[in-house]
Amino acid sequence: SAVISQKPSRDICQRGTSLTIQCQVDSQVTMMFWYRQQPGQSLTLIATANQGSEATYESGFVIDKFPISRPNLTFSTLTVSNMSPEDSSIYLCSVDRDEGSGNYGYTFGSGTRLTVV
Amino acid sequence: GDSVTQMEGPVTLSEEAFLTINCTYTATGYPSLFWYVQYPGEGLQLLLKATKADDKGSNKGFEATYRKETTSFHLEKGSVQVSDSAVYFCALSAPEGKLQFGAGTQVVVTP
Repeated sequence: SAVISQKPSRDICQRGTSLTIQCQVDSQVTMMFWYRQQPGQSLTLIATANQGSEATYESGFVIDKFPISRPNLTFSTLTVSNMSPEDSSIYLCSVDRDEGSGNYGYTFGSGTRLTVV
Repeated sequence: GDSVTQMEGPVTLSEEAFLTINCTYTATGYPSLFWYVQYPGEGLQLLLKATKADDKGSNKGFEATYRKETTSFHLEKGSVQVSDSAVYFCALSAPEGKLQFGAGTQVVVTP
């Protein structure tokens, strides 16, 4: 399965600032997904990022707050903008398949643990 | 829409006990089903998966069978260890490649 490198692994940020999270995959993938896991909660999909098109956001998430870039088939970024303490969560990127091998299996990055103070 | 319901935790067990975590789903199509595990302070790891009815996924002593007739994918392990203490998430592949997660079940195994 694909190997995903996500960084930073954790950060403590001041409210009102922005943080960009990077996700690098070791193989080409069509779709990349960004999830949020609030403290003690399950995972919620923020958006789906396809190369060459705008990301598709789930209900409750907007581009102004969570802009996403997908410049190529192996890389994506998620920015958490104008942060507030409510944005304190773990953010994870995910891919659904390895295009090279065709293996199908959802793989997750190790996550970015964000604390907003 | 598609949804996943799993039993609430925490589930507290003694070492070598039998573990079952119930998971049922609602889906319009024929999704793939997954169990993920999250150890304390870590990310999400795929534990096992099943892509069609009657498939059995297995890994590290854990098993789950895709039961279409009961729309279930219960996770089982015959003899748990302290190192199995974690949060377990049941999930299904919703349309357009998304994953729909259950709420998660915390498992605590005591020596």
